[in-house]
Amino acid sequence: DIVMTQSPDSLAVSLGERATINCKSSQSLLYSYNNKNYLAWYQQKPGQPPRLLIYWTSARQSGVPDRFSGSGSGTDFTLTISSLQAEDVAVYYCQQYYSTPWTFGQGTQVEIK
Amino acid sequence: QVLFVQSGAEMKKPGASVKVSCHPSGYTFTSHYINWLRQAPGQRPEWMGWINPDNGNTKYSPRFQDRVTITADTFARTVYMELRSLRSEDTAVYYCARVKSTARDDPFDIWGQGTKVTVS
Repeated sequence: DIVMTQSPDSLAVSLGERATINCKSSQSLLYSYNNKNYLAWYQQKPGQPPRLLIYWTSARQSGVPDRFSGSGSGTDFTLTISSLQAEDVAVYYCQQYYSTPWTFGQGTQVEIK
Repeated sequence: QVLFVQSGAEMKKPGASVKVSCHPSGYTFTSHYINWLRQAPGQRPEWMGWINPDNGNTKYSPRFQDRVTITADTFARTVYMELRSLRSEDTAVYYCARVKSTARDDPFDIWGQGTKVTVS
């Protein structure tokens, strides 16, 4: 199984400041035949299912604010919230869909400082 | 609007089975793979398996291979997940989720509301 490890486990950021979450996979998520990294990011609020934010490492899902962005390649990936808003308080997960079983990172709790 | 509606909460005894349903609407039922995942309290989501509703093909996580069955009823436009030989560690919220495109290997763009299964 591909192991996904996020850092940090929790993060407190002031409103309007940048939040950065890292995700590392135990093997490369890059398929050479299409040059795509099979990595997604989700946001989950209490009592709700996860919500897809970013796919193919950096493509923003429809309806997701442009303050959310993704980057990285191979085994190292980053989710950035450029200007944290109150409604961004949530747990964020990375997920690989390179090979089954699909796996998730342990999550990063983002809070307001 | 695409919507996934799941069946209600279940309480089961150890050793029993549970069958959870998922009823998608708002798109062509057979065009997208549907996955089942679960999430124990305070834990990350865990993938259990997928089904191609067009032909009934399935793939399961090795962790659940011998205990889970995912089926699809195209007439009822409903997908089912049955988990057998339940133990307390199976207490979790179970989700169905659609893959974003018509490909198999894609992230999950639409999720059901979740079904809480308690084993005690």
